[in-house]
Amino acid sequence: QKEVEQNSGPLSVPEGAIASLNCTYSDRVSQSFFWYRQYSGKSPELIMSIYSNGDKEDGRFTAQLNKASQYVSLLIRDSQPSDSATYLCAVILSGTYKYIFGTGTRLKVLA
Amino acid sequence: EPEVTQTPSHQVTQMGQEVILRCVPISNHLYFYWYRQILGQKVEFLVSFYNNEISEKSEIFDDQFSVERPDGSNFTLKIRSTKLEDSAMYFCASKHVGSGPLKSGANVLTFGAGSRLTVL
Repeated sequence: QKEVEQNSGPLSVPEGAIASLNCTYSDRVSQSFFWYRQYSGKSPELIMSIYSNGDKEDGRFTAQLNKASQYVSLLIRDSQPSDSATYLCAVILSGTYKYIFGTGTRLKVLA
Repeated sequence: EPEVTQTPSHQVTQMGQEVILRCVPISNHLYFYWYRQILGQKVEFLVSFYNNEISEKSEIFDDQFSVERPDGSNFTLKIRSTKLEDSAMYFCASKHVGSGPLKSGANVLTFGAGSRLTVL
């Protein structure tokens, strides 16, 4: 089983809609989870971190964590064409300092 | 805003040559990382470095690779005897260590812009 799994997409949503991105992870004891955005040819940039079960909101972004189901998601409200990018889920493996990334989900927001 | 600086942005080399990729992490950060991303693939962990030594490394990080912090600011990745399959984007990243490595806030990994390595 892969350590961090994401659907590669592309996920296409119309402008103004909600985009929902999902991620599952295999390490039951992991405590730290991150969503990064990566534009083509650029480096990953942090969108949000989440450490506790439940929802965490930051502007148009909401991260959701369910440790029992080993599931992290990212909701993007009022999606804009500028949100078109690859969204990377990352997890710190328990007992380590290793950040493991998923393959990323490519999001396309259609104007 | 503080940033991680990487040089060169693009390097072209011949197979079998040695390359050194350089990084200047954020000044108060203490953990340093190298990641690799082959075109169209995932961001892969190579190595983490703390307190002047490697703390963890992946299976990819074999004897061909080495890291060094030659002074108080630079963090380098050396790739010896480059192969065609070493062609990739190499990202340096750093993070600040707070009261504990797994506490919130201290765990945000900040990436540099990357160094694209092309091996011919």
